[in-house]
Amino acid sequence: RKEVEQDPGPFNVPEGATVAFNCTYSNSASQSFFWYRQDCRKEPKLLMSVYSSGNEDGRFTAQLNRASQYISLLIRDSKLSDSATYLCVVLTGFQKLVFGTGTRLLVSP
Amino acid sequence: NAGVTQTPKFQVLKTGQSMTLQCAQDMNHNSMYWYRQDPGMGLRLIYYSASEGTTDKGEVPNGYNVSRLNKREFSLRLESAAPSQTSVYFCASREPGTSFEQFFGPGTRLTVL
Repeated sequence: RKEVEQDPGPFNVPEGATVAFNCTYSNSASQSFFWYRQDCRKEPKLLMSVYSSGNEDGRFTAQLNRASQYISLLIRDSKLSDSATYLCVVLTGFQKLVFGTGTRLLVSP
Repeated sequence: NAGVTQTPKFQVLKTGQSMTLQCAQDMNHNSMYWYRQDPGMGLRLIYYSASEGTTDKGEVPNGYNVSRLNKREFSLRLESAAPSQTSVYFCASREPGTSFEQFFGPGTRLTVL
């Protein structure tokens, strides 16, 4: 079983839609969680950290469910510019960052 | 600030050739990393350097060597390139103790024929 698993997608949504991605992790000792965004043929960049209480940054909301070992990312009012691959990243108990393979989002006009 | 820079951006090698990928950061970060990214595999850690003067193996170190030349620079060397090393290589840096955010360079696209 992979340490971090994501649905590769693609998720095809129209502008203005709400879309959600989930990510599961296998190591219950994982400490910190993040979402990175990667545009086509570019480097990954941090989108947001995921806190136990959940957190929101504009149209983006991240949630953590430790009991079920998954994190989620919700994007409201999708924009064309949101089209990208979203990487789920987990910091394990060994201070190692483990990257998921990513979920591809395509927002169409 | 340029952040993290990598050279070259693209490279084509023949099997058995050697080359060095260069990485430099101007953020005064102590830790630096080399990853490879392959379709369906996600980013995998090759080597990392927690601080100047130290290097450690990551998940997929075979076929690679690294040098932490100074605090700014961390190079990755392929001594005898193989087609299995065709990939996109990313260098990253972060400052331990502040956050776990890693800052990535733009990547090197390597093809080994």
